[in-house]
Amino acid sequence: IQLTQSPSSLSASVGDRVTITCRASQGISNYLAWYQQKPGKAPKLLIHAASTLQSGVPSRFSGSGSGTDFILTISSLQPEDFAAYFCQQINSYPLTFGGGTKVQI
Amino acid sequence: EVQLVESGGGLVQPGGSLRLSCAVSGFSISDHYMDWVRQAPGKGLEWVGRSRNKANGYTKEYAASVRGRFTLSRDDSKNTLYLHMNSLANEDTAVYYCARGTSNWGEGLDPWGQGTLVTVSS
Repeated sequence: IQLTQSPSSLSASVGDRVTITCRASQGISNYLAWYQQKPGKAPKLLIHAASTLQSGVPSRFSGSGSGTDFILTISSLQPEDFAAYFCQQINSYPLTFGGGTKVQI
Repeated sequence: EVQLVESGGGLVQPGGSLRLSCAVSGFSISDHYMDWVRQAPGKGLEWVGRSRNKANGYTKEYAASVRGRFTLSRDDSKNTLYLHMNSLANEDTAVYYCARGTSNWGEGLDPWGQGTLVTVSS
């Protein structure tokens, strides 16, 4: 299953609302996770099952979607949110990741 | 505290072999699925493989790009996961992460180790 993320990069300002999309090449129900990765660090799980916020993740992050189209939304971008974001399908093997979205200032 | 610590990375020549380790503390790996994910320099994430837990017979899944060359194993008594890599090629150069998975479809990988760098070069 191929995952296509868009955009591949975006520029935004503190306080902006940011949306990142992830499209699957076939239906994956809600079996999708979102990760944040900062430079030189391991990825961090933000959202699983498409819309369930991982414990400790700020509520400004939200996920939605089902089937083939998914969205990660950051309601009000904070300085610590500038990072790369990846989606991952956990519906069938091989598990696959989207190409990533780099959120820049 | 839950912690995953990878080790074993380094410089290896094309065609060579390497074994990575992922030492886990804070939970018992026998109860959990464990995954390896890699990231080539400046690139995205690539899932490498999964070792299911004891309850699911320790069965494994692999990405097509590594199947037949890489092997996952684990030593539950040491609470350590291993990635045995053979016939390494330049395109295997990456940071390799281990992460805890789950038997529930749709749940992500959490937590992750800090990664270990493998460089394949002559």
